[in-house]
Amino acid sequence: GENVEQHPSTLSVQEGDSAVIKCTYSDSASNYFPWYKQELGKRPQLIIDIRSNVGEKKDQRIAVTLNKTAKHFSLHITETQPEDSAVYFCAASGGSNYKLTFGKGTLLTVNP
Amino acid sequence: DAEITQSPRHKITETGRQVTLACHQTWNHNNMFWYRQDLGHGLRLIHYSYGVQDTNKGEVSDGYSVSRSNTEDLPLTLESAASSQTSVYFCASSEDRPDGTQYFGPGTRLLVL
Repeated sequence: GENVEQHPSTLSVQEGDSAVIKCTYSDSASNYFPWYKQELGKRPQLIIDIRSNVGEKKDQRIAVTLNKTAKHFSLHITETQPEDSAVYFCAASGGSNYKLTFGKGTLLTVNP
Repeated sequence: DAEITQSPRHKITETGRQVTLACHQTWNHNNMFWYRQDLGHGLRLIHYSYGVQDTNKGEVSDGYSVSRSNTEDLPLTLESAASSQTSVYFCASSEDRPDGTQYFGPGTRLLVL
């Protein structure tokens, strides 16, 4: 089955700096890669996703890049703000498989 | 507005008791999923269903069961609760598309004493 590795497990940045979280996946058939944000005590919520026919996608301060050859994808957050502090999860799924396999998460702390 | 709800939100039970966690969605999604979340392990899939009468085991299904008698509900049953099942449980649902967004419920915090 699919295996998703996520790094780093914790990341601390100063407000205004950029943050990058990286994930690798094992199943070459995977073609959908969402990112979820989970604030303390809340449910995970989708913030951005990318499909395998696209190399990069941006939404305001958030961007995701995908390298299918290397089987890795990354989340980039620019101009970080304290409200970006949360746990971020990457995930992967593929083909007719609706299941998501999640990475173990990255705790992002943005210091004012 | 469509939503996904879970009940109870908090539960304390004793080892050996049977516990059922409810999940109800009004999205009319065929796909429903149960995850458990533990520190250091992220979100791990317990069971999932792609429609009425369909159920499948995930990566951590031992000690858990589900049944799907209608589109809206996927209850999760712990047959004989164990302390190792103390966790936060999330239900999710999605459309019938490989890239369908999974929408999560608010979670149930379960403590097994």
